Amino acid sequence: AQTVTQSQPEMSVQEAETVTLSCTYDTSENNYYLFWYKQPPSRQMILVIRQEAYKQQNATENRFSVNFQKAAKSFSLKISDSQLGDTAMYFCASSFFSGTYKYIFGTGTRLKVLA
Amino acid sequence: DGGITQSPKYLFRKEGQNVTLSCEQNLNHDAMYWYRQDPGQGLRLIYYSQIVNDFQKGDIAEGYSVSREKKESFPLTVTSAQKNPTAFYLCASSGTGDIYGYTFGSGTRLTVV
Repeated sequence: AQTVTQSQPEMSVQEAETVTLSCTYDTSENNYYLFWYKQPPSRQMILVIRQEAYKQQNATENRFSVNFQKAAKSFSLKISDSQLGDTAMYFCASSFFSGTYKYIFGTGTRLKVLA
Repeated sequence: DGGITQSPKYLFRKEGQNVTLSCEQNLNHDAMYWYRQDPGQGLRLIYYSQIVNDFQKGDIAEGYSVSREKKESFPLTVTSAQKNPTAFYLCASSGTGDIYGYTFGSGTRLTVV
């Protein structure tokens, strides 16, 4: 069965510092996509970054980047120069293809950026 | 601007009452989804639809019903059979194959009074 696991329920980071959120997944499929979503206190879920499993190059979006380790089935999110507005729940998710695409969310990591 | 609109933002339900949550998208997305989120929890899939006039149960469909008569609309009805409906409900949509990620609405907070 496909799974997505976030082992850090809560984290905190000082403003302007760098933080890494962990995510591991398990699948026997070769065709899949990985995502990080942000849910701020407003509760609107926003797509932060996306990684295609067949691409070795790590995705980057401004201050957000991923460390994709396919063999280890790891997909961590690095936030550089953390800002107060980064305070949110972060969900890792994956879309696995097995006849049809199946989307699975992790349980989330609550990140608090401290002033 | 393209996006997903959920309404109402807050909804109160009396015991034994059915209520309907609205979800409309103008992104021309084929697939639409309903998720439930309890406090401090992740997302649990209620129902999804990949094409008009077709939908499938997710992991927690009991006590809920949906329809997909138009591509743009995917309303969710919380029936009286749902014994613990107080939660935050999120609607999402995606293009074919979910490979580009979901676009989410702003959610509906449902409370039983």
